Amino acid sequence: DQQVKQNSPSLSVQEGRISILNCDYTNSMFDYFLWYKKYPAEGPTFLISISSIKDKNEDGRFTVFLNKSAKHLSLHIVPSQPGDSAVYFCAASAWVNKFYFGSGTKLNVKP
Amino acid sequence: SQTIHQWPATLVQPVGSPLSLECTVEGTSNPNLYWYRQAAGRGLQLLFYSVGIGQISSEVPQNLSASRPQDRQFILSSKKLLLSDSGFYLCAWSMKGVGRNEQFFGPGTRLTVL
Repeated sequence: DQQVKQNSPSLSVQEGRISILNCDYTNSMFDYFLWYKKYPAEGPTFLISISSIKDKNEDGRFTVFLNKSAKHLSLHIVPSQPGDSAVYFCAASAWVNKFYFGSGTKLNVKP
Repeated sequence: SQTIHQWPATLVQPVGSPLSLECTVEGTSNPNLYWYRQAAGRGLQLLFYSVGIGQISSEVPQNLSASRPQDRQFILSSKKLLLSDSGFYLCAWSMKGVGRNEQFFGPGTRLTVL
């Protein structure tokens, strides 16, 4: 049973607009969350993280929001750029440095 | 700086043949090491996790095994490959320490079992 879920397999956004990628989790013990970006035939690269003691973390164009009561997190990219087109994975962990990944959302930013 | 190597980049193997994928990390010591698999249309599935030499945790029952003969070397093996073993295999490492640390992934190996 998957503990981290990304229910939207794909998302298409116009350049300059906001991209919102969503992630839900079921394990209430998860207390650290990350987003990764992956291009085809490459390994994922770390993008941004958030601890459960926060509800928002911002890094440039990327902001991650965490709603613990809903067991939901989202990644906002503003403004979206064509180079942001990739597959985005969310990941979660509880206590130790072992992470569970969602199935990914493929973002396409149209010029 | 730290780097992580995986080889081979692509591999085509017949059903029933053995498998050995190698991963090495440079520029760090005593890392946590991980093997993931991404099957077609699926997310990243954690296969194995290691906190030190000879210490392997298996996450899912399967046809694969892992070994860590040296501090920065992680090997994924199978005695007899199945069709369902096809996928994109990723090795990753993370630092130990207080709190959680992000994982750094290698370039991956595309395995096709025919």
